[in-house]
Amino acid sequence: QSALTQPASVSGSPGQSITISCTGTSSDVGSYNLVSWYQQHPGKAPKLMIYEVSKRPSGVSNRFSGSKSGNTASLTISGLQAEDEADYYCCSYAGSSILYVFGTGTKVTVL
Amino acid sequence: EVQLVESGGGLVQPGGSLRLSCAASGFTFSSYEMNWVRQAPGKGLEWVSYISSSGSTIYYADSVKGRFTISRDNAKNSLYLQMNSLRAEDTAVYYCARGLTLVPWGQGTLVTVSS
Repeated sequence: QSALTQPASVSGSPGQSITISCTGTSSDVGSYNLVSWYQQHPGKAPKLMIYEVSKRPSGVSNRFSGSKSGNTASLTISGLQAEDEADYYCCSYAGSSILYVFGTGTKVTVL
Repeated sequence: EVQLVESGGGLVQPGGSLRLSCAASGFTFSSYEMNWVRQAPGKGLEWVSYISSSGSTIYYADSVKGRFTISRDNAKNSLYLQMNSLRAEDTAVYYCARGLTLVPWGQGTLVTVSS
């Protein structure tokens, strides 16, 4: 099971919107609506931002939204803020005996 | 407050063993599946292992199958990862994470495999 493909970096100015893609296969992203997104600041544990493709846990800003089309999931951050600068990882349930596959990670830079 | 606290990390020689623990509090531990996820220095996240709430169903990543053993003690609200035949590529911060949505995560414990 290969890692999901994410762009290495995405940047934007404060207030702008950015979108991070997460491309998998028909065996993971394409088969299950169980894609989640995690935010990780340096030296910190990952924090769940989106689960089940588009659901937001309580306490997560509504500036974060998720979607999926075919084998590609996406995370959109609107109204970009300095605190959004972090690494972001997607994760998909992959079924069978390899339960989860993570994305390669995307570094978001706020210009 | 839901909390997960990992412990047991450290420096070990290649071929050695280590046992990680994850102490859970603030929720009914016996009702949740649990996972171990790791992150090598400067690298991305990698799912390592899963155990069902009762411990009857277990899965491993191919990279650790046959070397690592996940277990739990619901009476002690604790999750474990026995790591044997450790390799340099097992060097990572190891996190425990609750449930199918992997939330929350503990703060992690660093395992360094080096001679």
